[in-house]
Amino acid sequence: EPEVTQTPSHQVTQMGQEVILRCVPISNHLYFYWYRQILGQKVEFLVSFYNNEISEKSEIFDDQFSVERPDGSNFTLKIRSTKLEDSAMYFCASSRLAGGIGNEQFFGPGTRLTVL
Amino acid sequence: SQQGEEDPQALSIQEGENATMNCSYKTSINNLQWYRQNSGRGLVHLILIRSNEREKHSGRLRVTLDTSKKSSSLLITASRAADTASYFCATNSNSGYALNFGKGTSLLVTP
Repeated sequence: EPEVTQTPSHQVTQMGQEVILRCVPISNHLYFYWYRQILGQKVEFLVSFYNNEISEKSEIFDDQFSVERPDGSNFTLKIRSTKLEDSAMYFCASSRLAGGIGNEQFFGPGTRLTVL
Repeated sequence: SQQGEEDPQALSIQEGENATMNCSYKTSINNLQWYRQNSGRGLVHLILIRSNEREKHSGRLRVTLDTSKKSSSLLITASRAADTASYFCATNSNSGYALNFGKGTSLLVTP
């Protein structure tokens, strides 16, 4: 069964450093997403991406964040200058459909980011 | 905010018993989804119910939707220890891309 994969599983970085989190969505999916979950809190939407551009983003997704689909398979989230409060589990997801008809999203196992 | 909010926050039952979790949301929706998250893992999609549906079944799962009350329930019948996880309801944003999750119900099923 196809699945979303994410690397690395755990990333430790120093405050102010840049990090890139990587995801390989399911191959026939067209819509890609990043979410984060701070420890003990609910899952929060960051950004969605379709047709090589951002389709929606949340208030969390400020200028420090960017997304890219550098090739036909990878989908990346970059944090330019990490802050302590960026420490969280970051989930990538993909879906075949979007919109009101229902977008069942398939989630990866997550990357735990720890900013020291 | 359209976020679903689940209750109870935590639920502890014994194997074989049924578990019922509830979700409330604030604005009109096209569909509502339930996800499961095992500790430290990603979310797994369980079931999607559309706004014109009132009830849906999938194996031991039964979901109901009451759009007049803006609420949904997830029933897990004949629970197993492996059902131990957090359960979240999610609604789509107005644009249809983002999923807005509630805080979840933490379910513990003891043998």
